[in-house]
Amino acid sequence: AQKITQTQPGMFVQEKEAVTLDCTYDTSDPSYGLFWYKQPSSGEMIFLIYQGSYDQQNATEGRYSLNFQKARKSANLVISASQLGDSAMYFCAMRDLFSGGYNKLIFGAGTRLAVHP
Amino acid sequence: GAVVSQHPSRVICKSGTSVKIECRSLDFQATTMFWYRQFPKQSLMLMATSNEGSKATYEQGVEKDKFLINHASLTLSTLTVTSAHPEDSSFYICSARVGGADSPLHFGNGTRLTVT
Repeated sequence: AQKITQTQPGMFVQEKEAVTLDCTYDTSDPSYGLFWYKQPSSGEMIFLIYQGSYDQQNATEGRYSLNFQKARKSANLVISASQLGDSAMYFCAMRDLFSGGYNKLIFGAGTRLAVHP
Repeated sequence: GAVVSQHPSRVICKSGTSVKIECRSLDFQATTMFWYRQFPKQSLMLMATSNEGSKATYEQGVEKDKFLINHASLTLSTLTVTSAHPEDSSFYICSARVGGADSPLHFGNGTRLTVT
């Protein structure tokens, strides 16, 4: 079965510094997709970045980048130049290929990031 | 960009009553929508996959008679919590995808249900 693991329940970072949020996954399928979402206290889920298993380069979106290490089965999110507004829950998710064609997303437990001024 | 609208954002109901939550895709058609539940400080757990024009597919352990899903059109899916109990109090959030399997899910803003 596919599985997503986020081992950091909480992280702290100083404003303007970079932070890495860990995500490891387990799958036996060679084709998969990994997503990161941000959930502020308001509850909305905001898509941040996507990495496909066959992508040759690490994904980047503005201040977000994904440190994709396929052999280690890790897809860590790097946030550069942290801002106070980055304080939120962050979820790593994987596309579930064994979902009858629906391509459901399964989520990790999440990491709560607090950015300090 | 794609927008998913969810209503209501908050609802308080008495134990034993039913509550309906609506999820609409505003600028795209969604043949499939996903309903998640999130307990405080926990992750999102998929409850069911809503399919336009056919029965929903429920995850293991989710009572289909308690959580009724109807996907009557390409832009609307509804989740009805029947005979609600305090343990059903949770954050319910729907989502839909525009594009292929590698496209992200777009989420509604969620519904916070409190059953008294």
